[in-house]
Amino acid sequence: NAGVTQTPKFRILKIGQSMTLQCTQDMNHNYMYWYRQDPGMGLKLIYYSVGAGITDKGEVPNGYNVSRSTTEDFPLRLELAAPSQTSVYFCASSYSTGRNTEAFFGQGTRLTVV
Amino acid sequence: RKEVEQDPGPFNVPEGATVAFNCTYSNSASQSFFWYRQDCRKEPKLLMSVYSSGNEDGRFTAQLNRASQYISLLIRDSKLSDSATYLCVGGSMFSGGYNKLIFGAGTRLAVHP
Repeated sequence: NAGVTQTPKFRILKIGQSMTLQCTQDMNHNYMYWYRQDPGMGLKLIYYSVGAGITDKGEVPNGYNVSRSTTEDFPLRLELAAPSQTSVYFCASSYSTGRNTEAFFGQGTRLTVV
Repeated sequence: RKEVEQDPGPFNVPEGATVAFNCTYSNSASQSFFWYRQDCRKEPKLLMSVYSSGNEDGRFTAQLNRASQYISLLIRDSKLSDSATYLCVGGSMFSGGYNKLIFGAGTRLAVHP
């Protein structure tokens, strides 16, 4: 069972370049999330989705876009990369956000913008 | 004020010690709470959910105090393998009726021989 798969694992971007971070899950989860984690810091919610076709902003959405055309996939798009977007990006999914629900995370994408 | 706040630590304890972490949350509408564990340069993984009545899983005990809006994690008989960052998580409501998971910054624990 693959769980949550993120690609790529590492990427170096130049300022102003664009890229898409891929995330796919095979658990048929409704909820999916994108977080970023800066060094020594906690996770900050960028965007989330409660189902195919529905997305909403989290705490730090500026500079990012998402789409959710299928239940399985939730890509994160960076249009004009900036050094402030250097971070580790985690995608996660869960069946719901209720008390007994576990969120499963991908292994992360380490992004450096230079 | 951050929605979920934790003492960043680090907590440096010897093997066998008992250590407790607290976490406060600001959104009184938060309905679900969790503790996640994150090892260095790895993804977070669920340690345990937190129930209103308190719950225990082996050496780990979680408590929720809704009146004071804090949750706690107690680790007894610490092991070297417990060294990690412990993330407090609250599930709170958006105005649209959907839940979101908000993570604290984490508390670092280092267990030494």
